[in-house]
Amino acid sequence: GAVVSQHPSWVICKSGTSVKIECRSLDFQATTMFWYRQFPKQSLMLMATSNEGSKATYEQGVEKDKFLINHASLTLSTLTVTSAHPEDSSFYICSARDRKNNYGYTFGSGTRLTVV
Amino acid sequence: GQNIDQPTEMTATEGAIVQINCTYQTSGFNGLFWYQQHAGEAPTFLSYNVLDGLEEKGRFSSFLSRSKGYSYLLLKELQMKDSASYLCAVSAMTTDSWGKLQFGAGTQVVVTP
Repeated sequence: GAVVSQHPSWVICKSGTSVKIECRSLDFQATTMFWYRQFPKQSLMLMATSNEGSKATYEQGVEKDKFLINHASLTLSTLTVTSAHPEDSSFYICSARDRKNNYGYTFGSGTRLTVV
Repeated sequence: GQNIDQPTEMTATEGAIVQINCTYQTSGFNGLFWYQQHAGEAPTFLSYNVLDGLEEKGRFSSFLSRSKGYSYLLLKELQMKDSASYLCAVSAMTTDSWGKLQFGAGTQVVVTP
């Protein structure tokens, strides 16, 4: 089945630095990728939708200059948390949709970000 | 936007049946999904409904009524490993996205011996 590889699985960074999270679709072309954030004991909150070759669409309240999304190819999307602060500490998960599979939302394994 | 409501927590004993309800309001409805999520892990796909009716898959079944904006996930013969959060998610077509998936808050199911 479809596989999305997400890296890193966890990262600890200092406040003020930037962190890049990668999601790769391994065996299909992901024309659309979704990025979610999940705080402890809460559900997944959609941050943005990225379509290959175009600008990402951000959900209300999500700072596009802080959470940079790049979807330059059909198999790779990246999320960069710029100038991270402790309140950005969260579980970040990507999801890709395979156009051939109507209900093929495939999730990455998630990235646990801790900002100290 | 979408409003997706589901209970916060449900407790049931091993071997029992539990039904998790989900109500939603959305435009451009493109399907309803149920996912299981264990703490610290990514969600795993359980079921998908786009037409009205019941979809059965082993111990798990999911029902959808589009006119009522209502779905439920039925877990039968509960096992201890079924203790997890169950997420109702709605896919909606928008002008800027092909099938945006939004999640409810999740229902924590606790299975007791």
